[in-house]
Amino acid sequence: DAGVIQSPRHEVTEMGQEVTLRCKPISGHNSLFWYRQTMMRGLELLIYFNNNVPIDDSGMPEDRFSAKMPNASFSTLKIQPSEPRDSAVYFCASSERTGWGDQPQHFGDGTRLSIL
Amino acid sequence: SQKIEQNSEALNIQEGKTATLTCNYTNYSPAYLQWYRQDPGRGPVFLLLIRENEKEKRKERLKVTFDTTLKQSLFHITASQPADSATYLCALNTNAGKSTFGDGTTLTVKP
Repeated sequence: DAGVIQSPRHEVTEMGQEVTLRCKPISGHNSLFWYRQTMMRGLELLIYFNNNVPIDDSGMPEDRFSAKMPNASFSTLKIQPSEPRDSAVYFCASSERTGWGDQPQHFGDGTRLSIL
Repeated sequence: SQKIEQNSEALNIQEGKTATLTCNYTNYSPAYLQWYRQDPGRGPVFLLLIRENEKEKRKERLKVTFDTTLKQSLFHITASQPADSATYLCALNTNAGKSTFGDGTTLTVKP
């Protein structure tokens, strides 16, 4: 199993630019999660999907952030326009099913985003 | 508001000793509690899950306890090795599957 695949691994861009982060979950997993990790705030859940449908986006910081899951094997997290305070490591995770808190989450290795 | 606290940001122990990490929470009634390991530059990796009606769970050198009265979980690594050095995160889960993570404890095992 290839695990959760995220791209790019690193992204450096200037303030105001659009940033798109990509995630391929583990095949057969029905739930997908986007997290952001910083030293100050730790690992924060931004949004999660169940069967490609967004269930809870209460962690999305503001309207500049949007996430989509057009099919079971692909999701994107977009920031437009980007700001320096968006600099963080963004993780995608998947689990076999949601609605069940006993499922472990499988994380990708993250995208390290730097906004100059 | 909900709060999760993991003991001290860093824990240093000697190889062979038992490492004990603490996860305390307030204003929360989790159905499940999970522990993850995170290495530098990598994503968290799932280790163990314990349910609210379970007192203890073991896996090889790892042991987790869950006390819903004290609102605390303890994570033990026995016979610790330098390879156990990493950051360990606890996560509280509701029945809906939404996870809230602690800030983690960085463990260093010295040879």
